[in-house]
Amino acid sequence: EAQVTQNPRYLITVTGKKLTVTCSQNMNHEYMSWYRQDPGLGLRQIYYSMNVEVTDKGDVPEGYKVSRKEKRNFPLILESPSPNQTSLYFCASSPWTGYNEQFFGPGTRLTVL
Amino acid sequence: KNEVEQSPQNLTAQEGEFITINCSYSVGISALHWLQQHPGGGIVSLFMLSSGKKKHGRLIATINIQEKHSSLHITASHPRDSAVYICAVRSRGSQGNLIFGKGTKLSVKP
Repeated sequence: EAQVTQNPRYLITVTGKKLTVTCSQNMNHEYMSWYRQDPGLGLRQIYYSMNVEVTDKGDVPEGYKVSRKEKRNFPLILESPSPNQTSLYFCASSPWTGYNEQFFGPGTRLTVL
Repeated sequence: KNEVEQSPQNLTAQEGEFITINCSYSVGISALHWLQQHPGGGIVSLFMLSSGKKKHGRLIATINIQEKHSSLHITASHPRDSAVYICAVRSRGSQGNLIFGKGTKLSVKP
């Protein structure tokens, strides 16, 4: 089944403890992106990748890192999480940057205490 | 100032009503997306527009590039259309960058 998977789906952690949220797609898509969703602010783009080894900042990249070493995976790394990174995170992919549809993962709800 | 504004923020309709959700933007764009977020949280793409109009079932999306405005219409609304509808624009200067509106929460009553 064609899909975007995220792990974990739920995570409660403490300030400063490094964590990684994984994102994987099995559709051979070139474009992948991370978003966070917060009440009253909506969705905001964190980072995106137009292909392997090509990443760029979105609107809210501070406090996050990404890597794209292979086409299928695009992990989101929080080196030192803080409470203001408590949010709902979505990964998405599409065949190429301007494609008419993005395929979203199910979301990861992160709480940083 | 928000680069993408949606209206209304919240909308309650009776089943069968015609619904319009609006999206205005201030930046140059290469495309505009409409997304639907289900009550359970999942997000699906509905349309991508760069000009004109697109139709899929009871959903119609239009865009006016000169006026920097797009509308999403739902004909013969149904309770299963209850969701948050989100407009997003693809910035012309940065093809990978998507800028989102804050969403319109639609509730359709039977």
